[in-house]
Amino acid sequence: AAGVIQSPRHLIKEKRETATLKCYPIPRHDTVYWYQQGPGQDPQFLISFYEKMQSDKGSIPDRFSAQQFSDYHSELNMSSLELGDSALYFCASSLSSGDNDNEQFFGPGTRLTVL
Amino acid sequence: AQTVTQSQPEMSVQEAETVTLSCTYDTSESDYYLFWYKQPPSRQMILVIRQEAYKQQNATENRFSVNFQKAAKSFSLKISDSQLGDAAMYFCAYRSSTSGTYKYIFGTGTRLKVLA
Repeated sequence: AAGVIQSPRHLIKEKRETATLKCYPIPRHDTVYWYQQGPGQDPQFLISFYEKMQSDKGSIPDRFSAQQFSDYHSELNMSSLELGDSALYFCASSLSSGDNDNEQFFGPGTRLTVL
Repeated sequence: AQTVTQSQPEMSVQEAETVTLSCTYDTSESDYYLFWYKQPPSRQMILVIRQEAYKQQNATENRFSVNFQKAAKSFSLKISDSQLGDAAMYFCAYRSSTSGTYKYIFGTGTRLKVLA
């Protein structure tokens, strides 16, 4: 079965640079979630989209923005990168209708290292 | 706001033995979902088991079972016949059933070591 795809899997950037993380949800899934997991920490919710509209917002810095496109893939854009942005970024997807109860399926994550 | 607490940063269990990981949560909602996720060194988030709050029966998945105490807001995970492959970080997570707020709230995790 198809899973959530994230690219790139690893990314190394310098401070003050920008980064774009991409997420391709499971086919037919209409909702995408982004989480940030710092070293030794639990995943923290950043933002979610349903049908290309932002549906919920968490502790996402103003330097970050995200969007969901017509094919339901999503991109997380990160600007003015700081050392503290080094983390594993998870994308998860879900289907809003049916009996699945909006269960989220996680991608493998993108490991971002800021030097 | 909902919170999830895992009070055991690390646990150890002998291979083939049973171990219980604790999780408590705080919420004013009556309908929600609770999950246990396993995160091995690959850091992939793997769903272990889920529990719907409206169901009184505790969920079971093979060697994994939960003890869900809704009134006490407790959701512990029992792993029976522990295997070396069970060694990982385990996260307890809460998800609201309120429309538009489906984000997961995770606990701080419990690192499980399995001793041969």
